[in-house]
Amino acid sequence: SQQGEEDPQALSIQEGENATMNCSYKTSINNLQWYRQNSGRGLVHLILIRSNEREKHSGRLRVTLDTSKKSSSLLITASRAADTASYFCATRRTSGTYKYIFGTGTRLKVLA
Amino acid sequence: DGGITQSPKYLFRKEGQNVTLSCEQNLNHDAMYWYRQDPGQGLRLIYYSQIVNDFQKGDIAEGYSVSREKKESFPLTVTSAQKNPTAFYLCASSIVPSTLANEQFFGPGTRLTVL
Repeated sequence: SQQGEEDPQALSIQEGENATMNCSYKTSINNLQWYRQNSGRGLVHLILIRSNEREKHSGRLRVTLDTSKKSSSLLITASRAADTASYFCATRRTSGTYKYIFGTGTRLKVLA
Repeated sequence: DGGITQSPKYLFRKEGQNVTLSCEQNLNHDAMYWYRQDPGQGLRLIYYSQIVNDFQKGDIAEGYSVSREKKESFPLTVTSAQKNPTAFYLCASSIVPSTLANEQFFGPGTRLTVL
């Protein structure tokens, strides 16, 4: 079963605006990752945050992690039309398994 | 799409046929994964392998089979027992983590359609 649930399911914004996506999960995790998927393509890794980290930045991306609430957020600042894609969170549990659990994704559309 | 290739890009299957999807990686990764993605949905894990000659069922393994005879290759067979196989199939690989977290590298995917 899917552990991660992203919200919103879909988001439409104007170019230059910020986009925020949220991910909730159910069990203790080792780390949480965000991926991007362009339509009909494979996923591309964006950023990873470990369970002992609270915030991480990479270029225009900012990720936060709140393990007490079992949630994470991905912020894309100054969005561009090229950011249009689906964004997924993925978690790996602490139990030693190498399984990754993916959420259902947020479809972001950035209007030029 | 990194160092992972999947073939074919599009595959059409008649009902009752088995088909095999190819996945090859040159990243020297020990772990490999197969996911299924349905329209507007997230990824569901079919099978994964942490090492050669070993693999584990994921959440939706019924109707699928895999082999891991070589480190570089992890083919997926969709059997006739899979009742609704039309989907987008993604292969991924990663290093086997010790204490370090790691990312997954994905192939470009194979779109399977049952005629």
